[in-house]
This record gives sequence, C-alpha cells and structure tokens, in this order.
Amino acid sequence: QSALTQPPSASGSPGQSVTISCTGTSSDVGGYNYVSWYQQHPGKAPKLMIYEVTKRPSGVPDRFSGSKSGNTASLTVSGLQAEDEADYYCSSFGGSDNWVFGGGTKLTVL
Amino acid sequence: QVQLVESGGGVVQPGGSLRLSCAASGFTFSSFGMHWVRQPPGKGLEWVAYILYDGSRKYSADSVKGRFTVSRDNSKNTFYLQMNSLRGEDTAVYYCAKDSDWAQDYWGQGTLVTVSS
Repeated sequence: QSALTQPPSASGSPGQSVTISCTGTSSDVGGYNYVSWYQQHPGKAPKLMIYEVTKRPSGVPDRFSGSKSGNTASLTVSGLQAEDEADYYCSSFGGSDNWVFGGGTKLTVL
Repeated sequence: QVQLVESGGGVVQPGGSLRLSCAASGFTFSSFGMHWVRQPPGKGLEWVAYILYDGSRKYSADSVKGRFTVSRDNSKNTFYLQMNSLRGEDTAVYYCAKDSDWAQDYWGQGTLVTVSS
C-alpha cells in the first residue's frame, strides 16, 4: 500500500492550463479505471472532482478533466481561476481491498 | 442534501482507545459503502477503512489492521471506527466519506484525534 506519487507543487497564471500527474503501479492506477481526484482548500474537507479516471460529478466545472496512460493518471485544469488554488489529491482503488492516495499537489495560481 | 457528521474525537493517551461515529442523512444510508480517511496535521490524506453497505465486508489499511475496526448500524444511519492501541502517528483529522463508484463522493467536516501523553 505505497502512496501514489504526485509532484509537491504546480502553478499557472489565470487562464492558463496546468496538468498534475499521479503515478502508481500496475496494481493500482494501471490495473483499474478507478482513479479519482480531490480538491481541498485550507481547513476544509476534500471535494470529489473526478472519478473513474475521466468522469465529473454534477456541479464540477468542465475546466477539470482527467486521463490515464499506463500507470500514470493526470488531472488537467484549464482556464485557471483564482479559486482553483488548493491542494489536489489523486486516489486509486488498489485491489486487495484497499484504496491509496497520492501525497498531494499544491496548486498555486500566480 | 447529503450530510455526514463525525463525532467522538479528542485527546487520548498512547495505548488508549476511542470510538468515532459518523451520522449520515440525505441519502439511503443502507445502500452505500462508507469510508474513513485521515489526515495528519499539515500532511496528506490516508485511506483508513471501508465497510460494505450491509456490513458484510470490511477492509482496512495495513497501518491500522488489527487495531481499528469499522462497523455500522443501518437502523441508526450511523457508522463507526473503533480505534484501539492508539499511537502518536494516529494523530489526525478523521473524515468519514460516502462511497460511490469506487470514489469518496461526499465527506464530513472531520473530527480531530490527538494521541499524546
């Protein structure tokens, strides 16, 4: 149950696009299409942004999109806005009846 | 709307026990699996445990296996995390979350557990 690997930080200017990667193994990210992404603002609970690799819950702007290639999943935020500044976590079902999170990426809007 | 409210957090000595509760409303509780996820102060999220909608299957992270037990009472729309043999590294905000399509789609506000002498 090793944590998924995310870059500690990412940044972009308003209006730009930024992509955050999430690398796992064939036992988690690569083995299942059950990758999800969460946004967390300081002092708040996480919020689901993407599930099953590419799907957006109702109410999540279509500026947020997900993808996967092999053992690496990605979250892309297009048209960056100030309110997108937050911590982002990926997660994957890991088989063996467990889930695993990434270490988190702090997104800064310059 | 979906609401999840955790309770039971507090300060406990190493080796002690604590039981967290999560009261659910706004959805058919007995139809969904539920998770506990924790976050140490200033650190990232860690999945802790999961229980199937009917309580028939329970899974937990290796870091808490044998010490933490998850259970639920569908008649009370509540699920629980019994934490025994607590250690300093268990200090964290504990969130309960509803499962949907192998993700956690709704989260509570969290309850802080501090393990300290």
